[in-house]
Amino acid sequence: SSELTQDPAVSVALGQTVRITCQGDSLRSYYASWYQQKPGQAPVLVIYGKNNRPSGIPDRFSGSSSGNTASLTITGAQAEDEADYYCNSRDSSGNHPWVFGGGTKLTVL
Amino acid sequence: EVQLLESGGGLVQPGGSLRLSCAASGFTFSSYAMSWVRQAPGKGLEWVSAISGSGGSTYYADSVKGRFTISRDNSKNTLYLQMNSLRAEDTAVYYCAKEVVLVVYATYYFDYWGQGTLVTVSS
Repeated sequence: SSELTQDPAVSVALGQTVRITCQGDSLRSYYASWYQQKPGQAPVLVIYGKNNRPSGIPDRFSGSSSGNTASLTITGAQAEDEADYYCNSRDSSGNHPWVFGGGTKLTVL
Repeated sequence: EVQLLESGGGLVQPGGSLRLSCAASGFTFSSYAMSWVRQAPGKGLEWVSAISGSGGSTYYADSVKGRFTISRDNSKNTLYLQMNSLRAEDTAVYYCAKEVVLVVYATYYFDYWGQGTLVTVSS
């Protein structure tokens, strides 16, 4: 099956901008979706499609895509944004419907 | 309000079986494909299995194929995962998730997740 690759950990100073990336062949065919997960909680969708936020997600979260790379950008990171972030997309290999990235632990300093 | 409520997790011995349920409400259940996604302790998310809205199509990760069976009862708005021949590596929190598929926009995602149910496989 296809794979999505994420950096294991990223840090950002409070109020600064951070970009979390996700790479994989599937992203040439499908948009990534992004999920935030805090300890002990279920994942929450934060970005889907070209650059769409579900209701209730702050506009400091945005998404973009180029080639085989999708990015989640947090502009003006807040302490409450510290969490694990996972990308996800359809699997273009055709073997399975879905594939997840390994996750990125975001630390807000 | 969309709600997904998993149940059925617990402690089971290696080789044993368990059936998970996911009760859905707040949307037209039969109109949406559903998936099970799991997360082993301290690890990332792993897609496990998916089923179409009608139940006519099912999909499995290689790690569970032949051991797990996904099904749904649209009259009861409930998703199931029958897990047989369980192994230690199946230990995880299991989430059910509602799929959104927008083929024309190449957009696919999970818009709602349950709170998860913990499955522990240990002797």
